[in-house]
Amino acid sequence: DAGVTQSPTHLIKTRGQQVTLRCSPKSGHDTVSWYQQALGQGPQFIFQYYEEEERQRGNFPDRFSGHQFPNYSSELNVNALLLGDSALYLCASSFLSGGNTGELFFGEGSRLTVL
Amino acid sequence: GEDVEQSLFLSVREGDSSVINCTYTDSSSTYLYWYKQEPGAGLQLLTYIFSNMDMKQDQRLTVLLNKKDKHLSLRIADTQTGDSAIYFCAEDWYGGSQGNLIFGKGTKLSVKP
Repeated sequence: DAGVTQSPTHLIKTRGQQVTLRCSPKSGHDTVSWYQQALGQGPQFIFQYYEEEERQRGNFPDRFSGHQFPNYSSELNVNALLLGDSALYLCASSFLSGGNTGELFFGEGSRLTVL
Repeated sequence: GEDVEQSLFLSVREGDSSVINCTYTDSSSTYLYWYKQEPGAGLQLLTYIFSNMDMKQDQRLTVLLNKKDKHLSLRIADTQTGDSAIYFCAEDWYGGSQGNLIFGKGTKLSVKP
């Protein structure tokens, strides 16, 4: 049973470029949440997708957008990259349709470096 | 406000017990979590506790919840060198969002042989 998988694991971009990160949730899960973890900090919630719609959003600008596909996988897009967007981007999955069991699993993350 | 507080460092000897403490803010939270993060890796879910519980035990891990003081602790019995990592406490801020968590800054646990 595959856990939460993310791709790519590492990538380097330059300021002003755009990036797309991908996440496949754990088998049986239907909800994907995205987090940004800056160096030395705890993760910060970006947004959550359920039933292909953005369900909740944290305090991030509109440059951060996402999408969820019918197979529950998700993408995080960041436009007009800034140096401060350099971070580890984490995806977490859960099963919302089954009620809140508390089970929330994270992937290994995608490390983005903006030069 | 939204703030989860943890001490930043803890050092113990192999075989001792480790206790990592956390204070949280929202008394209506449904779940409180402990995650482990090794260098360069993602977050590993260690355990979680529902807010109407006082204690949860899972092998070497014991979670204690004091709702009155909004204090959560994680005890690791017989700490091993492989337990060296950063430990994050998190609360489910919207009480059942299943994904919108507020994290502390993490406690770096160092285990000396």
